[in-house]
Amino acid sequence: KAGVTQTPRYLIKTRGQQVTLSCSPISGHRSVSWYQQTPGQGLQFLFEYFSETQRNKGNFPGRFSGRQFSNSRSEMNVSTLELGDSALYLCASSPTVSRGTGELFFGEGSRLTVL
Amino acid sequence: QKEVEQNSGPLSVPEGAIASLNCTYSDRGSQSFFWYRQYSGKSPELIMFIYSNGDKEDGRFTAQLNKASQYVSLLIRDSQPSDSATYLCAVSQGGFKTIFGAGTRLFVKA
Repeated sequence: KAGVTQTPRYLIKTRGQQVTLSCSPISGHRSVSWYQQTPGQGLQFLFEYFSETQRNKGNFPGRFSGRQFSNSRSEMNVSTLELGDSALYLCASSPTVSRGTGELFFGEGSRLTVL
Repeated sequence: QKEVEQNSGPLSVPEGAIASLNCTYSDRGSQSFFWYRQYSGKSPELIMFIYSNGDKEDGRFTAQLNKASQYVSLLIRDSQPSDSATYLCAVSQGGFKTIFGAGTRLFVKA
């Protein structure tokens, strides 16, 4: 069974640009969560989607947005990039429907560098 | 107060010893508890989950949950150098949101 696939793996942008990251969950997983990981802040929750609906959102500015498609694939977008947005962005899919988010299976991440 | 707190370490143990990792959480309504392992340069991988008070064993790993004390721990028996990694405690609050602690770095000395 293929794991969670994230693209692109690495990208470099400049301040003010926008970026779109993509995530394909494990087949059959309908819940997709996004996290930002930095050395100083650790893993910070961005948002969670299930059946194309955002069910929860973390404390990030509106520049961070996401969506989920009918095939459970998800994208996140960051507009007007700032230097502080440099981070590893991790997508995780979950097989659990009840109990909220269950076990998370992470992709390898998209490493964003903002210059 | 952070929602999920862990000692950042590093925790250093000799090969073959028991490594004990601890975590506290603030939300009494938390329902599900997880331990993830993250090797340097890699993404987190799930190693244990526990939903009920008590102990849960899986091979060399034992997760312990005490909801009254809002405390979760992970014991690694017969620690191996390959266990050297950052261990992340995670708590699901039932609102389709899983919160992670900052992680504890573990070093197992050969």
